[in-house]
Amino acid sequence: DTAVSQTPKYLVTQMGNDKSIKCEQNLGHDTMYWYKQDSKKFLKIMFSYNNKELIINETVPNRFSPKSPDKAHLNLHINSLELGDSAVYFCASSQEGQGVYGYTFGSGTRLTVV
Amino acid sequence: GQNIDQPTEMTATEGAIVQINCTYQTSGFNGLFWYQQHAGEAPTFLSYNVLDGLEEKGRFSSFLSRSKGYSYLLLKELQMKDSASYLCAVRVGWNKLSFGAGTTVTVRA
Repeated sequence: DTAVSQTPKYLVTQMGNDKSIKCEQNLGHDTMYWYKQDSKKFLKIMFSYNNKELIINETVPNRFSPKSPDKAHLNLHINSLELGDSAVYFCASSQEGQGVYGYTFGSGTRLTVV
Repeated sequence: GQNIDQPTEMTATEGAIVQINCTYQTSGFNGLFWYQQHAGEAPTFLSYNVLDGLEEKGRFSSFLSRSKGYSYLLLKELQMKDSASYLCAVRVGWNKLSFGAGTTVTVRA
């Protein structure tokens, strides 16, 4: 029944490793997003995909590469992890024309780089 | 870009009223959202304003003045479970939501 699900919920890894976070939504939404929430709780958009097409790419290091195999999935791959990548990463989805409900967020992935 | 400001912290007593202000500067404004986020959880939708005025939903109300770039979220009859972070977010176009840093509300007995 989960609307937006992301895995894993927790991820602890060493500097320099490569890791992926997966996200799936069963709401039939056309647009999906990745947000990063840092230790100060500031939620900042990273990427947005609409029907598998990249439409928003904020100032994010190119170590971060999103991939959308279909409109229900948006994965985030991170190469050469750094300490500063430690944060909570939220996936979200939305549907054009349903503005009154904004975004639906996943439960977050807490990434800790040691 | 968007510049969204809200207070960092607020404290209130159970049963009281708290008003969280949010000011913004943006181009392409297409609505303002308020989200609630409990510690360790995902943000959840509270309210949406796109026209000037007050929107009321139970104990929560949200107000918008587009000419002033100003919104507030009013929480009435505060309960302990209302202790959370409240995020003001501005939508630009139809799909880009930019968030403020959030206001942590602590409700005391």
